[in-house]
Amino acid sequence: AQKVTQAQTEISVVEKEDVTLDCVYETRDTTYYLFWYKQPPSGELVFLIRRNSFDEQNEISGRYSWNFQKSTSSFNFTITASQVVDSAVYFCALSELIYSSASKIIFGSGTRLSIRP
Amino acid sequence: GAVVSQHPSRVICKSGTSVKIECRSLDFQATTMFWYRQFPKQSLMLMATSNEGSKATYEQGVEKDKFLINHASLTLSTLTVTSAHPEDSSFYICSARDRGRNEQFFGPGTRLTVL
Repeated sequence: AQKVTQAQTEISVVEKEDVTLDCVYETRDTTYYLFWYKQPPSGELVFLIRRNSFDEQNEISGRYSWNFQKSTSSFNFTITASQVVDSAVYFCALSELIYSSASKIIFGSGTRLSIRP
Repeated sequence: GAVVSQHPSRVICKSGTSVKIECRSLDFQATTMFWYRQFPKQSLMLMATSNEGSKATYEQGVEKDKFLINHASLTLSTLTVTSAHPEDSSFYICSARDRGRNEQFFGPGTRLTVL
């Protein structure tokens, strides 16, 4: 069965600090997708990244970076020089059967990130 | 492209009434749509998967007679909460799988409050 664990329930840092959100996953599939979503107070999910299990290259997008390590089943997310606008709940998610219409996205419990001015 | 809308965005109803929530893919065809429920300060939990023209598949513990799902076309799925009770108050989010691409897109959510 697939499972996503986000052990950090809440994180609070001062603005401009770097912060890493941890994500560990379980799956029996060899082909899967991993995701990160941001959910601000409005509730609407904001897509951040999708990573294919075949691609273990780390990715950087502005202040955001992601570290995918298959050996430890982790897909961690780092925000560099955090800003108050980064305050939100962040979800890590997993999708198996990626070529099937039955493919569904399973979410972790989320990490609530607060950036203090 | 790849926009998913939900209507209404917010609804308040009395206990015992039924509420219908629409999920539309505006610029793509969605053979599969998914319905999630999110209670305050909790994660998104998948309720059911609906395929166009066929019956929905419900996750364990979700009452199919209470949460009626209809996926009548490639751009529209509806979730009807029948005989709603205060414990059904939640944030309901749909997602749609693009038929042409291997991607899912989420709607903005519907906040249901049952008094």
